[in-house]
Order: sequence, then structure tokens, then C-alpha cells
Amino acid sequence: GQNIDQPTEMTATEGAIVQINCTYQTSGFNGLFWYQQHAGEAPTFLSYNVLDGLEEKGRFSSFLSRSKGYSYLLLKELQMKDSASYLCAVRDPHNQGGKLIFGQGTELSVKP
Amino acid sequence: NAGVTQTPKFRILKIGQSMTLQCTQDMNHNYMYWYRQDPGMGLKLIYYSVGAGITDKGEVPNGYNVSRSTTEDFPLRLELAAPSQTSVYFCASRVNGVEGTQYFGPGTRLLVL
Repeated sequence: GQNIDQPTEMTATEGAIVQINCTYQTSGFNGLFWYQQHAGEAPTFLSYNVLDGLEEKGRFSSFLSRSKGYSYLLLKELQMKDSASYLCAVRDPHNQGGKLIFGQGTELSVKP
Repeated sequence: NAGVTQTPKFRILKIGQSMTLQCTQDMNHNYMYWYRQDPGMGLKLIYYSVGAGITDKGEVPNGYNVSRSTTEDFPLRLELAAPSQTSVYFCASRVNGVEGTQYFGPGTRLLVL
């Protein structure tokens, strides 16, 4: 089976850096995605990793280690608008539809 | 491009009623998906489609049906609504190609009483 684990919630201070971890146990691997979801809204795409290493996009970076089944999302210079749920998802390599298996999400609260 | 659109935004159903949740995308994506999201939970896949005329079950298909007669449309049908189907429903489509990022519609909030 597939299992994805993330912390349920985190709190950080405006202007700081926060790292959200995601571990996965899957029978194969075909890419890992991070999505941001504000309350009452749809998930929006943040990043995609398929090879080991760091992908940087402005204030957001995502890291992947396939051998450890581990990823993290790094948010720098936190802003109040970064308060949201962050979803980690792994693509099922055995499924022709390319379906994603989602973790339960990490609720991030940014405090002034 | 409007992207992925869903209607209605919100609906209240009585137990046993039926309804269709509409989903349309104008990006010519082959792959489309239906998810449900319960409070504080991640997304669970209900059904998906890899192209017009082809659909398959996801993790939680019971109580739902889908069809895919065109590339653009992927409606989700609830035949006999139950309180357990109270949830937020998201439709998504996937960019064609290797990376295949999924993009989500705004969601339909459904309450079954």
C-alpha cells in the first residue's frame, strides 16, 4: 500500500523560515508534488520533484530524497498570507491514470 | 482559458435525492479526476478518466458514477445521496506530458441532510 505522513499542524512567525516534512512509503515512485490550500479554496500547485535534490521557486523550495522516502517544503520570509494547509502528494507509478496519493495536509499558522 | 470550472458551488440535498456535479476544462487535458475532501483530511480519489470514453475507479467510488463523453466534460453523479457523502468535491485535470501536474477546480460543497 501507499502511506504518506505529514505533521498535522505547525506555527511560525512572520518573516521566519519554516520547513514542512513529508515521508512516504510506496511500492514505487513517480514524482512528488506540493500543493497549497487556503481555507475554503481549491489546492494550488507549488512544486514538483522527481529527482533527488532541491527545487527553488522564489520564497518556496522543495527537497526530495528518494532513498529515504522523504521530502520537505521550505518557506522563507513568511508572510501572513502563507497561512494555509500544505498537501504532499505522491504519484502512483502503477496507475496508468497517474493518480496522486495525498497526505492529510499540514495546517500552517503564521503569527505576527 | 477558464481552466477547470465546477458547478454548483454549494448544494443541500435530502437523503435519497440524486444530483450531478458538473466539471469542465478548456485546456484539452486528457486526464481528469474527481476527489472528495472531508474536514481536516487530505483528498481521496473517487473516479478518474484517461480520455473520452474511458473511466476507472479510485479509492472511494461507492455511491458515485461518472461518464466522459467529451474531452472537456467529466460529470460526477450521486444517485442516492447519503449523509456520508457530505463533503467538498474537487475536480482536477492533468497537464499532458511527463510531469503531469494536476490543476483543480474551485470545488462544490455538498451537504446531505
